[in-house]
Amino acid sequence: DIQMTQSPSTLSASVGDRVTITCRASQSIRTWLAWYQQKPGKAPKLLISMASTLESGVPSRFRGSGSGTDFTLTISSLQPDDFATYFCQQYKSFYTFGQGTSLDIK
Amino acid sequence: EVQLVESGGGVVRPGGSLRLSCAASGFTFDDYGMSWVRQVPGKGLEWVSGINWNGDTTSYEDSVRGRFTISRDNAKNSLYLQMNSLRVEDTALYHCARTPRGEPGAFDLWGQGTMVTVSS
Repeated sequence: DIQMTQSPSTLSASVGDRVTITCRASQSIRTWLAWYQQKPGKAPKLLISMASTLESGVPSRFRGSGSGTDFTLTISSLQPDDFATYFCQQYKSFYTFGQGTSLDIK
Repeated sequence: EVQLVESGGGVVRPGGSLRLSCAASGFTFDDYGMSWVRQVPGKGLEWVSGINWNGDTTSYEDSVRGRFTISRDNAKNSLYLQMNSLRVEDTALYHCARTPRGEPGAFDLWGQGTMVTVSS
């Protein structure tokens, strides 16, 4: 089974900050990686697939990078709407999610 | 509107059964594989089961294999999860999610979920 380790688990930041979330796979997943955003009481929303492909309608301040085992999600200038929980997911072999990063207002 | 809507959750005793349903609308259902993903409130996400576009390939997470059965009815645009021999640790919010047919894909649409509580 492929394990996904995401960090940090919590992150406090201010509007306008640049933040980075990392995700590490236990074995190479090439670029079979997605990032999701989830707000309380809502379904997860796909932000990025194939490690770096932004989904339609997702603001360009979101950027995904990486390949193999190490990946990052960067939000270049936090907006109020970005405070949420973020999950990574591998889909090379079935599906495994990272533990999540709760991004809250400092 | 493009959406997935789950139903069928509830409170059940350990050892009991439930059948979850997921109604799809606004898109061509058989263009997509489907999965069930569960989430303990306030916790992370766990993939439970998946089915390909025509139902002839299914897969399960180890802890539910042999107890849960995924199925779909493309004529009714619906996905199902039959859950038997339920355990306390199956308590979670169950989402259905779609992935484009073909190569491995991320889940590009999710439902809001239906809550399953297993308790004596």
